[in-house]
Amino acid sequence: AQSVTQPDIHITVSEGASLELRCNYSYGATPYLFWYVQSPGQGLQLLLKYFSGDTLVQGIKGFEAEFKRSQSSFNLRKPSVHWSDAAEYFCAVGRDTGFQKLVFGTGTRLLVSP
Amino acid sequence: DTGVSQNPRHKITKRGQNVTFRCDPISEHNRLYWYRQTLGQGPEFLTYFQNEAQLEKSRLLSDRFSAERPKGSFSTLEIQRTEQGDSAMYLCASRRLELDEQYFGPGTRLTVT
Repeated sequence: AQSVTQPDIHITVSEGASLELRCNYSYGATPYLFWYVQSPGQGLQLLLKYFSGDTLVQGIKGFEAEFKRSQSSFNLRKPSVHWSDAAEYFCAVGRDTGFQKLVFGTGTRLLVSP
Repeated sequence: DTGVSQNPRHKITKRGQNVTFRCDPISEHNRLYWYRQTLGQGPEFLTYFQNEAQLEKSRLLSDRFSAERPKGSFSTLEIQRTEQGDSAMYLCASRRLELDEQYFGPGTRLTVT
């Protein structure tokens, strides 16, 4: 069965510092991987996705993620965090492109300090 | 695209009452999903429609839950005889093509007192 682990419940980063949010997945076949962001009172917004090809994917708002099959990881990074990045971040794995039921991790809440 | 809309945004109900939520997907999106998100957790899959056909239901969807998408456009999720454990955010998502992302609505927050 698919599963996603986000080991960090909360992370605090100073504004302007770099960020890395960890995500590990468990899935037997080729995974379809996603990072979503959720701000209070808002729906989930897709930051980036990985289906195949280049293992370093670029997303919106200056985010990127790297797929590492050997480590079953898909960590999210940003070189310089802005106060507006404070939100909850969810990693998800999709079963396939056709149906694409998403299995989400428990999320990481990002706090940005001045 | 006007985005996925969900109504109501908030619902407070007493235990034992029935509630119904509505989701309007982005037009021309033939795939529609319902998820449930409880506090401190990520969304959990409930059910999936392709056009009007309900193709998969999670074990989370007990007999008290029913979802419909009668004309392949909007969808409704009904919970009968609500319980306090049903308190959660109910999210709807839609997408058009296989390689597209899922676009999420703002959710309906249900509180059962």
